Amino acid sequence: GDSVIQMQGQVTLSENDFLFINCTYSTTGYPTLFWYVQYSGEGPQLLLQVTTANNKGSSRGFEATYDKGTTSFHLQKTSVQEIDSAVYYCAMSPRNMGYKLTFGTGTSLLVDP
Amino acid sequence: DPKIIQKPKYLVAVTGSEKILICEQYLGHNAMYWYRQSAKKPLEFMFSYSYQKLMDNQTASSRFQPQSSKKNHLDLQITALKPDDSATYFCASSGQGNQAPLFGEGTRLSVL
Repeated sequence: GDSVIQMQGQVTLSENDFLFINCTYSTTGYPTLFWYVQYSGEGPQLLLQVTTANNKGSSRGFEATYDKGTTSFHLQKTSVQEIDSAVYYCAMSPRNMGYKLTFGTGTSLLVDP
Repeated sequence: DPKIIQKPKYLVAVTGSEKILICEQYLGHNAMYWYRQSAKKPLEFMFSYSYQKLMDNQTASSRFQPQSSKKNHLDLQITALKPDDSATYFCASSGQGNQAPLFGEGTRLSVL
């Protein structure tokens, strides 16, 4: 079955540090890849979508990239701020079934001021 | 204002009882979904409804029954509750099934 592995459970950074979160996936076909962010007490919010055709996406200073060779995808931000503290989830869906997300276990980011 | 409204925000239930989780969306979306987030597992897809019809069901147990009385409503009835059902249940929606869903704020269910 489909699976998404997100190894980094918790990351602590200082403001202006570089953020890099990595996920690997396993599926048949050509999935669509996502990054969601969840703030305390709220539901997940779509941050970025990356189709395996275009390799990249960006939003709010975050950039997502994808490596087909290693079936991995990454989220990065050059300079994090305290307001970026949240849980970040990578997720995957089959092509044309964007509703059917398989999520990673989440990376809890804490940014110290 | 939230466009996907879930009620209640918190719910405590006794083992063996039945509860209904309410979800309404005001985004004009045709498709609605339920996801579950528990302490033991990552966010997982449960059901997909499109135009009030069940399109996809990934929930093994028949104790979980979605109910759609209106196009913008998708409630979740859970019967014979067990402590393992304790989780946050998220309602979500999208314009079409091939679009990434937008999530509500969730209903946190605790079964004692």
